[in-house]
This record gives sequence, structure tokens and C-alpha cells, in this order.
Amino acid sequence: EDQVTQSPEALRLQEGESSSLNCSYTVSGLRGLFWYRQDPGKGPEFLFTLYSAGEEKEKERLKATLTKKESFLHITAPKPEDSATYLCAVQEMTTDSWGKFQFGAGTQVVVTP
Amino acid sequence: DTEVTQTPKHLVMGMTNKKSLKCEQHMGHRAMYWYKQKAKKPPELMFVYSYEKLSINESVPSRFSPECPNSSLLNLHLHALQPEDSALYLCASNQGVTTNEQYFGPGTRLTVT
Repeated sequence: EDQVTQSPEALRLQEGESSSLNCSYTVSGLRGLFWYRQDPGKGPEFLFTLYSAGEEKEKERLKATLTKKESFLHITAPKPEDSATYLCAVQEMTTDSWGKFQFGAGTQVVVTP
Repeated sequence: DTEVTQTPKHLVMGMTNKKSLKCEQHMGHRAMYWYKQKAKKPPELMFVYSYEKLSINESVPSRFSPECPNSSLLNLHLHALQPEDSALYLCASNQGVTTNEQYFGPGTRLTVT
């Protein structure tokens, strides 16, 4: 059973057309939720960490929010350079010192001029 | 500095070869990870070294073997690989305590012929 589900799978936007990506999760205890951006053939680039419901983080045109069941990544007035795959990862409460990451399948965003 | 370096960037190897992938970080992180990523799929965790303790994803075949010479270096030794092992291999690191984002390297693109 998938613990992290991202939607939509793909999103095509016109430059300046704001939109939101969704990451829903089902874990017994959330240690943290992470957003990454990944360009083709490259490693994921860290964007945000969210720890508790109601928390929000912003960076340039991106804003991440968290509820008890899902997180949203809002892209405001996107530019072509925002084109990438956006990955969500969830870290469960465990006894491990490192805590396993569960990645979603990602949302591929294409922003056209 | 949040840099994780990986070498080589690209690797082509035959099914009878032995090769190694290298990963290095100088952020003082105490946990390092190997992930495998196939095209249009999220990263899959292979191994974790945290505080000198190895944790293994049980589904990873024995033809992959990790080595951690010191807290800054992580190697992945490859032997008798199969064509289906062709993928992007990503290294990541983090502090290894409680909730903490992972920082990824650029990856090694591996092709098995």
C-alpha cells in the first residue's frame, strides 16, 4: 500500500499561471515531510521541510503547506525555469537514528513561455 | 555548504566487470545513503550508514555491496550486474538524528551492457 501519493502526475502550465501540487500521506506518525525538485538526470534538490500541521514555508515562487493528511506545493506565477519534477518524501517516526524516507512518484511540471 | 559529490558521473560496464561508485560529503553528516532511481520513478533506498551501522533494504541483491571507509566517504561496489541494474545511482547524506532533510549528490548514470 502506497504511503505517499502525489497528484497530478503531470502538469503543464503557461508562464504566470499559478497552480498547486498535492502530496497525500498515510503514516502512523509523521516525523517530517520534505519537498524536492529534480531536473532530468540530476539528483534531487532540497526545497522545504515541514514538521507539523499548519506549518508553511516559502521560497521565491514556491510555498509549501502541511495538514494532517496532505501537503500542497503552490507555484505562484511560474516561469519556464520552474519546469522540473517535484518530489514529496515522508519520514515516519521510528526508533532508527536516520528514519526511512518514503518518496512519492513525483509531479512533472512543464511551464511554457 | 550542502554539497555531496559523486564519481564517476557516467559508467558503462559489462556483466562480468567489477566497479565501484564513490560518494563524499564534508558537512559532518553522520548518515549516508545509496538510492537507485529508474527513469520516471522515485528514488528507492538501497543502503543506509548511520553512526557506523549499516542498514540494508532486504530486496537489494548481493551483487551490490556498500562500504563506508570513514564518516565522509561511502562506496558502492558493483559485481556481476545485470542489464536491469542500469539506473541513476544517487548518494545522499544528513545529520542522522530525528527529522532532517537529506542532501543528494548529482548521481552516477550506470549502464550495464
